[in-house]
Amino acid sequence: SYVLTQPPSVSVAPGKTARITCGGNNIGSNSVHWYQQKPGQAPVLVIYYDSDRPSGIPERFSGSNSGNTATLTISRVEAGDEADYYCQVWDSISDHYVFGTGTKVTVL
Amino acid sequence: EVQLVESGGGLVKPGGSLRLSCAASGITFSYAWMSWVRQAPGKGLEWVGRIKSKSDGGTTDYGAPVKGRFTISRDDSKNTLYLQMNSLKIEDTAVYYCTTDNYYMDVWGKGTTVTVSS
Repeated sequence: SYVLTQPPSVSVAPGKTARITCGGNNIGSNSVHWYQQKPGQAPVLVIYYDSDRPSGIPERFSGSNSGNTATLTISRVEAGDEADYYCQVWDSISDHYVFGTGTKVTVL
Repeated sequence: EVQLVESGGGLVKPGGSLRLSCAASGITFSYAWMSWVRQAPGKGLEWVGRIKSKSDGGTTDYGAPVKGRFTISRDDSKNTLYLQMNSLKIEDTAVYYCTTDNYYMDVWGKGTTVTVSS
């Protein structure tokens, strides 16, 4: 089955840029979606189809996808961005959805 | 505003059964594809399964860990999604989320907790 690998943790200072990677075999040929989950809350969609933002999501959140790596970028990081982040794709071979392993973002 | 509200979670013994419900509002439910996603304590997100709209065939698909034990169904007249869970295992302990499904999960419920323990 398709596997998506994320770094377990990323630390970033306020006002700086956080980059969260999602690795998968030829992931650039898939559409990647990203979710933010704060403790005790349900996940929230922050990026869909690689780089589109749902309404209400700040422009500070952006995404890219090429080759074997997709990236979620959070610019001008704020304390409120501290959360777990998950990537997700649809595996067309199995017709199943796959989530990444998750990355905990800590704001220093 | 789209709202999804799960219910039916609880404590069940290994080998037992439980049925979860998800009441939807603010969407044309009959046209919606819906998925269930779960999260074991301290773990990541895991896709459980999906049901397509009846107009798209109403078919279901399941993740490998639950295939053959879990069944997703829908009642479009009640705007409600169901997850029938049989032969429950300790490793099925998790928060179960109901989501809308557009190949991405754009709306999530708050989740309902299922605990499988003797």
